[in-house]
Amino acid sequence: DTGVSQNPRHKITKRGQNVTFRCDPISEHNRLYWYRQTLGQGPEFLTYFQNEAQLEKSRLLSDRFSAERPKGSFSTLEIQRTEQGDSAMYLCASSSGFGAFFGQGTRLTVV
Amino acid sequence: SQELEQSPQSLIVQEGKNLTINCTSSKTLYGLYWYKQKYGEGLIFLMMLQKGGEEKSHEKITAKLDEKKQQSSLHITASQPSHAGIYLCGADQGAQKLVFGQGTRLTINP
Repeated sequence: DTGVSQNPRHKITKRGQNVTFRCDPISEHNRLYWYRQTLGQGPEFLTYFQNEAQLEKSRLLSDRFSAERPKGSFSTLEIQRTEQGDSAMYLCASSSGFGAFFGQGTRLTVV
Repeated sequence: SQELEQSPQSLIVQEGKNLTINCTSSKTLYGLYWYKQKYGEGLIFLMMLQKGGEEKSHEKITAKLDEKKQQSSLHITASQPSHAGIYLCGADQGAQKLVFGQGTRLTINP
């Protein structure tokens, strides 16, 4: 068990570009979550999946954001037409129903 | 919606001293998680509390959930430099979806 894995760890992009992040959960964890964390704040919930079904989306997830978990294993989070306000740490977590375990995060900087 | 308030927001203690971090909820807590985060990194799971009056310990860290289930505390005994970081409490909103406090930044001075 290697824990939750996120790639890339860091991403710098120009405003207006699209970016995609990947999360590989702990194997056999059926729930997968995405959070966003800005400097000095706690993480904020974005969305979560149970298996391949996206069950809830936060109002923070604008229409420029889309998340998928096509086979109920890894997940991707895509941000289209990035804005400077999208700069943040994007965290993924997984759970089998007891405890939520986080990855190392992807730090996005939009310049 | 549920909100969590952590206090203090930052804490500087001498190595070897004890310390306490508090997490107060605006609503009843049905599951309360404590995490530690190093700057720029992910969250490390410390403990989860569910029952009022519950107390759990891991090495020199003890966490409690009060009887009314609206406040939790994290206590570190004989602090060490390795305890430095940001401590976050998170409340379970159902299905392990968490709402977090703003964090407490802990600095340990030698």
